[in-house]
Amino acid sequence: DVKVTQSSRYLVKRTGEKVFLECVQDMDHENMFWYRQDPGLGLRLIYFSYDVKMKEKGDIPEGYSVSREKKERFSLILESASTNQTSMYLCATCGAETNTGELFFGEGSRLTVL
Amino acid sequence: RKEVEQDPGPFNVPEGATVAFNCTYSNSASQSFFWYRQDCRKEPKLLMSVYSSGNEDGRFTAQLNRASQYISLLIRDSKLSDSATYLCAVTNDYKLSFGAGTTVTVRA
Repeated sequence: DVKVTQSSRYLVKRTGEKVFLECVQDMDHENMFWYRQDPGLGLRLIYFSYDVKMKEKGDIPEGYSVSREKKERFSLILESASTNQTSMYLCATCGAETNTGELFFGEGSRLTVL
Repeated sequence: RKEVEQDPGPFNVPEGATVAFNCTYSNSASQSFFWYRQDCRKEPKLLMSVYSSGNEDGRFTAQLNRASQYISLLIRDSKLSDSATYLCAVTNDYKLSFGAGTTVTVRA
């Protein structure tokens, strides 16, 4: 079974703080993704990575950056957290072909920015 | 216009009923289509892929209508355990875009 582990289930941060969300997968998958999920808006893609040290912007990259130094680890960074970044953040991974559709998700990190 | 749109519901149905709902997509060049299921406070998980000719998986039937740019999911003989949010997902340029989800509640 694919296991996708997100480091924190719940975080509370203050406006302006730097926030790191870590995601680790154990299936040697090339592709990793960060989504945020908000009521009524669904899952929106922030960034994705097809390989180590490679990153691509998703649909809503503003205010975020990512790091992929190792194949199994994909980090999402909020350089200066703002209240509109309060959300559920979901990391996902899949094998070589994204269009097989089977993304494996972590359990999510619920971030509250005060 | 959103890439993928769904009726949020909720669809409240009695056990044993049939429930069906659609998902529309805006990009006619979309390549692949899927239904995910998400339980409350849990991560989404792949329910089934949607093939051009339509496909079934037990009590679940998925259809694709490329001309009208929508996919559908039908659940027959609903069970209490079918209560969840169903997300449709569409591949464009090898990126997966999700709808906001349709909530289904099956009552005893």
